[in-house]
Amino acid sequence: EAGVAQSPRYKIIEKRQSVAFWCNPISGHATLYWYQQILGQGPKLLIQFQNNGVVDDSQLPKDRFSAERLKGVDSTLKIQPAKLEDSAVYLCASSLVRVSPLHFGNGTRLTVT
Amino acid sequence: AQKITQTQPGMFVQEKEAVTLDCTYDTSDQSYGLFWYKQPSSGEMIFLIYQGSYDEQNATEGRYSLNFQKARKSANLVISASQLGDSAMYFCAIHTGTASKLTFGTGTRLQVTL
Repeated sequence: EAGVAQSPRYKIIEKRQSVAFWCNPISGHATLYWYQQILGQGPKLLIQFQNNGVVDDSQLPKDRFSAERLKGVDSTLKIQPAKLEDSAVYLCASSLVRVSPLHFGNGTRLTVT
Repeated sequence: AQKITQTQPGMFVQEKEAVTLDCTYDTSDQSYGLFWYKQPSSGEMIFLIYQGSYDEQNATEGRYSLNFQKARKSANLVISASQLGDSAMYFCAIHTGTASKLTFGTGTRLQVTL
């Protein structure tokens, strides 16, 4: 089966600019997650979707981050405006049901200068 | 709240030796799952092994086994016969029904040497 697809692989932007990341989960996976992984740390959940509904966005900085999952398949994560501390790898993951192993994409490495 | 603690920032092991990576967890839920992931330098997160809180047997997957001690709230990963390709970051994570999300520890960097 095809894995979780993410794009772009790398992105460099200046602070205050906006950026968007795209994720296509494994076919049939109802649950989709966006994680932020700052260098040297473990991944931190930003938002979790079940189909096209939000299950948990408690750690999403909603003043600058937004995410959507239209039609319960693809998802986009947007940052507007970006700050220096947003430099991180943004990982998308999907799972068949909530309590099952997450399958991760290769991530998008964001550098904010 | 749920929490994972990995106290070993880095570990070294010689090729063909076994190594144990420590993980302790904290949750008030009775039902939970424990996961280990491997993250090579290329960045992808690779699922290794899973242990459910009600599983009586320790989980095993090839060279990976999970030493699950429920009373101590520990879920250590044991890698047998280490290979150079095992060099990577290893993350322990917990999922509970209440929180309904996967929470990761800070990771352990494993270096396998000749």
